[in-house]
Amino acid sequence: SYVLTQPPSVSVAPGQTARVTCGGNNIGSKSVHWYQQKPGQAPVLVVYGDSDRPSGIPERFSGSNSGNTATLTINRVEPGDEADYYCQVLNSTSDHRYVFGTGTKVTVL
Amino acid sequence: EVQLVQSGAEVKKPGESLKISCKDSGNDFIRHWIAWVRQMPGKGLEWMGSIYPGDSDTRYSPSFQGQVTMSADKSISTAYLQWSSLKASDTAMYYCARLDYLHASHMDVWGKGTTVTVSS
Repeated sequence: SYVLTQPPSVSVAPGQTARVTCGGNNIGSKSVHWYQQKPGQAPVLVVYGDSDRPSGIPERFSGSNSGNTATLTINRVEPGDEADYYCQVLNSTSDHRYVFGTGTKVTVL
Repeated sequence: EVQLVQSGAEVKKPGESLKISCKDSGNDFIRHWIAWVRQMPGKGLEWMGSIYPGDSDTRYSPSFQGQVTMSADKSISTAYLQWSSLKASDTAMYYCARLDYLHASHMDVWGKGTTVTVSS
């Protein structure tokens, strides 16, 4: 089965840049999506299709994907960005096999 | 704004059955796949399966095949997740989420979740 590996935690000071990676075999050939989940809340889509943002998501959130690593970048980090972040791909179109990454806790210092 | 409204928290005993629901407040329920996602306490997100309410086409993750049943009633824009015999290990938060219309590749709208607690 396809595995997506994320670092368990990333720490960043307010105003700095946070980068959350998502590693997978040839992930660059897939479309990667990112979700933010704050404590006690449902996940929210923040980036889809590698680098597109849903309406209402700040431009500070961006994504990239190449080779074996996809990256979610959060610029000018704010205290409200503290959350768990998950990457996700559709591994099999015919079987609808959706795979989530292991999740990364972003802590704002 | 489309919302997915999930049923309330449940507390059950091992061996009991359960059916939880997810109602779509929008107008195009039958055109989007609906996914179910499990989150065990303190853990990550797991895709359980998806259903297309238009024709009830259902796909299950191998990890959940045979363990749960997904269904949908398009007349009331509601999707369901059910268990015939709960186990303590089914204790988790369960989310329904709408898959995007174009490619069904990502989950663009999420319900707030239903907490299921299974304990003797």
